[in-house]
Amino acid sequence: AQSVTQLDSHVSVSEGTPVLLRCNYSSSYSPSLFWYVQHPNKGLQLLLKYTSAATLVKGINGFEAEFKKSETSFHLTKPSAHMSDAAEYFCVVRPLGNFNKFYFGSGTKLNVKP
Amino acid sequence: DAGVIQSPRHEVTEMGQEVTLRCKPISGHDYLFWYRQTMMRGLELLIYFNNNVPIDDSGMPEDRFSAKMPNASFSTLKIQPSEPRDSAVYFCASSGTSGVSEQYFGPGTRLTVT
Repeated sequence: AQSVTQLDSHVSVSEGTPVLLRCNYSSSYSPSLFWYVQHPNKGLQLLLKYTSAATLVKGINGFEAEFKKSETSFHLTKPSAHMSDAAEYFCVVRPLGNFNKFYFGSGTKLNVKP
Repeated sequence: DAGVIQSPRHEVTEMGQEVTLRCKPISGHDYLFWYRQTMMRGLELLIYFNNNVPIDDSGMPEDRFSAKMPNASFSTLKIQPSEPRDSAVYFCASSGTSGVSEQYFGPGTRLTVT
């Protein structure tokens, strides 16, 4: 069975401080993993993806994520938050043994304080 | 490529009316997904197609909802009759077959049923 757990529904950080958004997954097969961002009243945009190459993946806008198979985690980080990072972030799993579906986490809303 | 195209971007209708949402996927993508997003329920998968064939419609709320994909470049989601609880943002997304292919989302259609 596949599932994605985003451990925090809301995260609040101050501008200039690090961001950590946590994601754990369960998958019967080696998955592809994605992080999407959704700004208010906008569609979902791909931030980065892991596809069994390097375990540390760099994305747009300074975000990166590390795939840790032993911990079944794919946490999203950024060294220094910017006001424009305030948005909702979704962790997504696509099991390689089942190309048909994408499994979404419930989302984490990131608030950035000035 | 222009990306995933959805129309209309906004729709306001009265309860009981028929609503048709349209989607043009990215050329060459053979998966198409319809999602609904609300504050209360988050992002929900309604139905998805592979090579124009509906694969899983278990997320369709009830018989008032129907979706078609008559060809590889066009899909519709129809609600008949519409109800106020159908008010939401409806997203269309497409992806390739490869397990490493991500989903590309359209900008969404904001539906308001009064």
